[in-house]
Amino acid sequence: DAMVIQNPRYQVTQFGKPVTLSCSQTLNHNVMYWYQQKSSQAPKLLFHYYDKDFNNEADTPDNFQSRRPNTSFCFLDIRSPGLGDAAMYLCATSPSQGQPQHFGDGTRLSIL
Amino acid sequence: AQSVTQLGSHVSVSEGALVLLRCNYSSSVPPYLFWYVQYPNQGLQLLLKYTTGATLVKGINGFEAEFKKSETSFHLTKPSAHMSDAAEYFCAVSLYSTLTFGKGTMLLVSP
Repeated sequence: DAMVIQNPRYQVTQFGKPVTLSCSQTLNHNVMYWYQQKSSQAPKLLFHYYDKDFNNEADTPDNFQSRRPNTSFCFLDIRSPGLGDAAMYLCATSPSQGQPQHFGDGTRLSIL
Repeated sequence: AQSVTQLGSHVSVSEGALVLLRCNYSSSVPPYLFWYVQYPNQGLQLLLKYTTGATLVKGINGFEAEFKKSETSFHLTKPSAHMSDAAEYFCAVSLYSTLTFGKGTMLLVSP
């Protein structure tokens, strides 16, 4: 089945130690999104790629960066994680902007 | 700018009872509207969507929603709740770009 896959499902890192979360898709969708979701809150969009065009939300901290080396893969890099960055990180894709998004199961990030 | 308001952070129903989850939106033009469901430790799954055309849309798992432009609402309903419906539900709006989510409603189903 075509899907969005996030690895790992659970990630533990130390305060200040860089961490990378990965997302892959077999849907061949043009748009890929990264969301941060804290407990009992709605997903918050961090950034998205429309093909190779990167779009950063205005309030996304500089600590967060993303790479999309090809259509299928997208990475979220957190350069110096703080305790406040502990959250579920969700990757999603859509054929184009405004279309329904398909979500992965997320990576739950813990900071020690 | 677009925004979504979901009334009630928690809704409790008995198994077999009607489910009604409320969603109101604010948008300068008619947007695309979505309902997503999220089970614990999982991503969001699309329940249904409204883009254009028929205002009553049917989704998966017996859910449906009606777009009412005059009320700027897109409430989610299901005639008879099942235990497996217990989850968090998010209403979302899109103006041909990114999604704006509501804060979510946790549906609790009791036997």
